[in-house]
Amino acid sequence: DADVTQTPRNRITKTGKRIMLECSQTKGHDRMYWYRQDPGLGLRLIYYSFDVKDINKGEISDGYSVSRQAQAKFSLSLESAIPNQTALYFCATSNGLNTEAFFGQGTRLTVV
Amino acid sequence: AQSVTQPDIHITVSEGASLELRCNYSYGATPYLFWYVQSPGQGLQLLLKYFSGDTLVQGIKGFEAEFKRSQSSFNLRKPSVHWSDAAEYFCAVGPYGNKLVFGAGTILRVKS
Repeated sequence: DADVTQTPRNRITKTGKRIMLECSQTKGHDRMYWYRQDPGLGLRLIYYSFDVKDINKGEISDGYSVSRQAQAKFSLSLESAIPNQTALYFCATSNGLNTEAFFGQGTRLTVV
Repeated sequence: AQSVTQPDIHITVSEGASLELRCNYSYGATPYLFWYVQSPGQGLQLLLKYFSGDTLVQGIKGFEAEFKRSQSSFNLRKPSVHWSDAAEYFCAVGPYGNKLVFGAGTILRVKS
């Protein structure tokens, strides 16, 4: 089983719908992140959390919200999806400042 | 502002040829540097990382990278490319506020 699991892997939704992307990890890491990948733009940070009580906005948080339900779970919500939120979304975890991030396999979201 | 530049969007090399992918960064202090690889439909896998010490770092799959402070660069190299190396490669720099900043990525094509 993957250490960082994202569900769903693919999703098509309509404009204006609410959608939640889920991430769970078995690595025991405190830090979790949500990134968005767009062609030619690399990965950009949406939100990050250093523990259950700590939530921080990233570079592109507008239109998104998150919930850290437990150390192992970090969900990303789009309250009212719009087409320019069509992208590949990655969850990642890390164990501290000077360690690498471990990524899930991504969720491909299409908003029509 | 902190930034990461990967000047080459696409690179095509012949199988067996050498490879160098370029990465330049802008950061006010000694950075933590990473190279990740993304195969089609997959998440990001860490190839190698530099935190301190020897400026030439060895990674997985026969890759290496050299940190050059004077040039603000962290170029990725491989002496002989295999067809399975075809993927997208991302350079990342941290810890800008405990989070990674990614380059836009370089897509590697390998021709036989």
